[in-house]
Amino acid sequence: NAGVTQTPKFRILKIGQSMTLQCAQDMNHNYMYWYRQDPGMGLKLIYYSVGAGITDKGEVPNGYNVSRSTTEDFPLRLELAAPSQTSVYFCASRTGQNTGELFFGEGSRLTVL
Amino acid sequence: AQSVTQLGSHVSVSEGALVLLRCNYSSSVPPYLFWYVQYPNQGLQLLLKYTSAATLVKGINGFEAEFKKSETSFHLTKPSAHMSDAAEYFCAVRGGEKLTFGTGTRLTIIP
Repeated sequence: NAGVTQTPKFRILKIGQSMTLQCAQDMNHNYMYWYRQDPGMGLKLIYYSVGAGITDKGEVPNGYNVSRSTTEDFPLRLELAAPSQTSVYFCASRTGQNTGELFFGEGSRLTVL
Repeated sequence: AQSVTQLGSHVSVSEGALVLLRCNYSSSVPPYLFWYVQYPNQGLQLLLKYTSAATLVKGINGFEAEFKKSETSFHLTKPSAHMSDAAEYFCAVRGGEKLTFGTGTRLTIIP
């Protein structure tokens, strides 16, 4: 079982560049999430989706965009990268049950120089 | 809005000693609470979850947590620490569609 797959695992960007972090899940989960993790700060929600065609902002959406054209994929786009976006990004998914836990990918480490 | 507070960003215990990681929650409705563990350079994986079925919840790797409504707490315990328990631990609370995480507690095991 692949679960939640994130690519790339590592990336270095220059200030002002753009890129897309890919996330795919094979568990037929409706709910998908993007978090960023910074040392001592825990995980902060960037965007989430409750199903194909539906997305909503989380706690820290500025500088990011998402789309959800299929149930399986939930890419995160960074436009005009800034040093403040240096972080580890995690994609996660879950079923629609209230008790359903999140299943996480292994993370994408992004450095903006 | 729901939130969680983890007391102690770093906890050190000797191998074989009791592990106690503290989590207090704030929620306007009966909460769904979770503990996750993160090993170095990996994603988070579920240790256990509280879904109102029982106040004492048993998880993987010998961990358990007790939901105490009167104290708004959901502390994580393990009777005897093992070297493999060294990791970062996150408490989280479900609010609607979103899961809100605490800032984490890094657990170090002293041989």
